[in-house]
Amino acid sequence: GQQVMQIPQYQHVQEGEDFTTYCNSSTTLSNIQWYKQRPGGHPVFLIQLVKSGEVKKQKRLTFQFGEAKKNSSLHITATQTTDVGTYFCAGPGDSSYKLIFGSGTRLLVRP
Amino acid sequence: KAGVTQTPRYLIKTRGQQVTLSCSPISGHRSVSWYQQTPGQGLQFLFEYFSETQRNKGNFPGRFSGRQFSNSRSEMNVSTLELGDSALYLCASSLARAQVATQYFGPGTRLLVL
Repeated sequence: GQQVMQIPQYQHVQEGEDFTTYCNSSTTLSNIQWYKQRPGGHPVFLIQLVKSGEVKKQKRLTFQFGEAKKNSSLHITATQTTDVGTYFCAGPGDSSYKLIFGSGTRLLVRP
Repeated sequence: KAGVTQTPRYLIKTRGQQVTLSCSPISGHRSVSWYQQTPGQGLQFLFEYFSETQRNKGNFPGRFSGRQFSNSRSEMNVSTLELGDSALYLCASSLARAQVATQYFGPGTRLLVL
């Protein structure tokens, strides 16, 4: 079945360092979404990418959708302690009504 | 608008029992999805409902079932609980009619099976 993989599983950085998580799908995606889950919280929507090669920015966060629409990345510049959490990518499954989540990347930031 | 609400927030059950979890979506949202989150398996899709119809189901045994009411509120039921069913169960609502759209998650129900 369709799979969405994320790497790395964990990333421990010093505050101020950059962070990147990568998402790869076994199939072409019509769109990809990113979510953030704070410790003890629930996933919160960050952004959706639709177009091949699309790049979107939200302050220190940069999201990219690959040309083949099978991979995506999230880059955080100069991490802060408020960035701590698990970042998930998600794409439509074999049905339009089903969202497949990646395994997530847990970010820890040392102050 | 009020967010997605889930009840109860915490639940302790024993093996063999059954459990019903409830979800109230954001007002106006007619799509409700359920996910199981565990440390080992991440976020796993359970099922999705729209206008009282189940449109898709994940790879879970028949012990997991759900339904949606005319007011879009949804319930999921797990029968004959197993230790492995211990997890955070998340409900998410969206405006989606024809395609998966932004999911707005509730706080979840944390189920512990002893």
